[in-house]
Amino acid sequence: AQKVTQAQTEISVVEKEDVTLDCVYETRDTTYYLFWYKQPPSGELVFLIRRNSFDEQNEISGRYSWNFQKSTSSFNFTITASQVVDSAVYFCALRDYSGAGSYQLTFGKGTKLSVIP
Amino acid sequence: DTGVSQNPRHKITKRGQNVTFRCDPISEHNRLYWYRQTLGQGPEFLTYFQNEAQLEKSRLLSDRFSAERPKGSFSTLEIQRTEQGDSAMYLCASSSTGANEKLFFGSGTQLSVL
Repeated sequence: AQKVTQAQTEISVVEKEDVTLDCVYETRDTTYYLFWYKQPPSGELVFLIRRNSFDEQNEISGRYSWNFQKSTSSFNFTITASQVVDSAVYFCALRDYSGAGSYQLTFGKGTKLSVIP
Repeated sequence: DTGVSQNPRHKITKRGQNVTFRCDPISEHNRLYWYRQTLGQGPEFLTYFQNEAQLEKSRLLSDRFSAERPKGSFSTLEIQRTEQGDSAMYLCASSSTGANEKLFFGSGTQLSVL
């Protein structure tokens, strides 16, 4: 069975600090996809990134970066120089590649990030 | 791109009543998904459509729940004989076919069963 664990329930940082959100996953599949979504107070989930299990190269997008480590089954998300607009709940999610077309995402419980001005 | 639209935004109902929610996906998207989210939890998958075909259903989707996407455009999710445990945010998402798999979510319908 698939499982995504986000151990940090809530994090508070002061603006301009760096912050890392942890994500640990479990799956029996050798091929799978990992995602991060942002849910601001408005409620609409916003896609941030999708990563294939066979691509362990870290990715950077502006102030956002992701560290994927298959050896520890982790896909951590770092925000550099945090801003108040980063305040949101962040979800990590997992989908296996069944080949039969399963598109079910398994989400973690989320980490609520509060950036204090 | 007008985004994914869900109606109503809020629904309050009494236990035992039936409710129906509507989702209008992004027009060129052929995939549509329903998820349910309760307070403090991540979204849980309910069902998935490709065009008008319902291809996947979660075990969470009891026989009181039914979803349709009659013409491969908008979708409805109906809950019959609502229970207090059905109280949740019901989220709809859509995506296009392809490897990107970027889901666009609507703002959801918040259901409260009294």
